Amino acid sequence: AQSVTQPDIHITVSEGASLELRCNYSYGATPYLFWYVQSPGQGLQLLLKYFSGDTLVQGIKGFEAEFKRSQSSFNLRKPSVHWSDAAEYFCAVGAVNAGKSTFGDGTTLTVKP
Amino acid sequence: DGGITQSPKYLFRKEGQNVTLSCEQNLNHDAMYWYRQDPGQGLRLIYYSQIVNDFQKGDIAEGYSVSREKKESFPLTVTSAQKNPTAFYLCASSPLLAGQETQYFGPGTRLLVL
Repeated sequence: AQSVTQPDIHITVSEGASLELRCNYSYGATPYLFWYVQSPGQGLQLLLKYFSGDTLVQGIKGFEAEFKRSQSSFNLRKPSVHWSDAAEYFCAVGAVNAGKSTFGDGTTLTVKP
Repeated sequence: DGGITQSPKYLFRKEGQNVTLSCEQNLNHDAMYWYRQDPGQGLRLIYYSQIVNDFQKGDIAEGYSVSREKKESFPLTVTSAQKNPTAFYLCASSPLLAGQETQYFGPGTRLLVL
């Protein structure tokens, strides 16, 4: 069965600093990997997804993520965080013909001025 | 504009009362989902549907019921059997029920118990 772990429940960074949110997955074959963002009191929005090919994926709002098969990781990065990036971030993993994708428990990002 | 709508934004439930949360999508998606979100617990899947007139229990289906009479609509009923219904409820859809599909989320309904 597929599973995903987000080791950090809460991360605080200063505005303008770099950001890395961790995601580790468990799945036997090549997974489909997603990052979603949720602003307070709202639904989730897709930031980026990895299916195959280039392991560095660019997303919206200046985010990127790198798929590392050897480490079973798909960490989300941003070079310079803006106050509007404060939100909850969810990693998800799926597989072809394996039904619905599975979400991690989320990481809450706080941005200090 | 295509998307998912949920109503109401806030809903209040009295003891012993059933309440229904609405979810409508105009994305022509086959699959639809209901999630419950509590602080610090991420998303927990309640029910999902792959096609009209078919739905499956998720991880926390007890105390909830759904119907899928139309492709566009997937209402969730929180029954009196659900003893702790206070939470944020999210509806989502995807083109197919498949792990490679992106899920598109509605804005959510917050349910509170009076």
